[in-house]
Amino acid sequence: QLQLQESGPGLVKPSETLSLTCTVSGGSIRTSSYYWGWIRQTPGKGLEWIGSTYYSGGIYYNPSLKSRVTISVDTSKNQFSLKLSSVTAADTAVYYCARDGQYCSGGACYSGLNWGQGTLVTVSS
Amino acid sequence: DIQMTQSPSSLSASVGDRVTITCRASQSISSSLNWYQQKPGKAPKFLIYGASNLQSGVPSRFSGSGSGTDFTLTISSLQPEDFATYYCQQSYRTPMYTFGQGTKVEIK
Repeated sequence: QLQLQESGPGLVKPSETLSLTCTVSGGSIRTSSYYWGWIRQTPGKGLEWIGSTYYSGGIYYNPSLKSRVTISVDTSKNQFSLKLSSVTAADTAVYYCARDGQYCSGGACYSGLNWGQGTLVTVSS
Repeated sequence: DIQMTQSPSSLSASVGDRVTITCRASQSISSSLNWYQQKPGKAPKFLIYGASNLQSGVPSRFSGSGSGTDFTLTISSLQPEDFATYYCQQSYRTPMYTFGQGTKVEIK
């Protein structure tokens, strides 16, 4: 069964770079049918998509965060990572990694998200 | 951006009640609409894909309907374990997802 687990510091100082890693188990990240992505949740803005990638490239970022975000994949470790630079208190959130898989019924296929458990990152000095 | 708007933002209901939550997209998304359930301190759980298809293991009291811009999640007979926050999400512009703001279902 697929499992995703986020890891990284829970506290980051303002203006520094937030770095998180998602470790995938129960499946290979080298699957062309899936996007691997990051989503964050705050009380104020709700669920916000940050960005997604295929293992072989093809990266998509939320335009509102694009200038500060980098997502990368390490297939040798079955992991993908998030870096968010120049953080402020507004970046305090629970960060989730997720796999966007395909689900089919009646001849039609749709994508849907399977989530890691999430990790709280607080931006504070 | 495709904006997703849910209503109501919260509701109070009793065990056994029929509950309906609506989600509206700012443009047509065909049937590319998912629903998730989230309990406090937990990640969202995938309930419904393609507007009306139950994920494996989801109880049949949950159902979804709609297409185009207007969608509905219905719980036919609310159970104690269903008290949670529900989110819709468009997958029309995968992987550039957007979510509704959530509907919190509380105990009356």
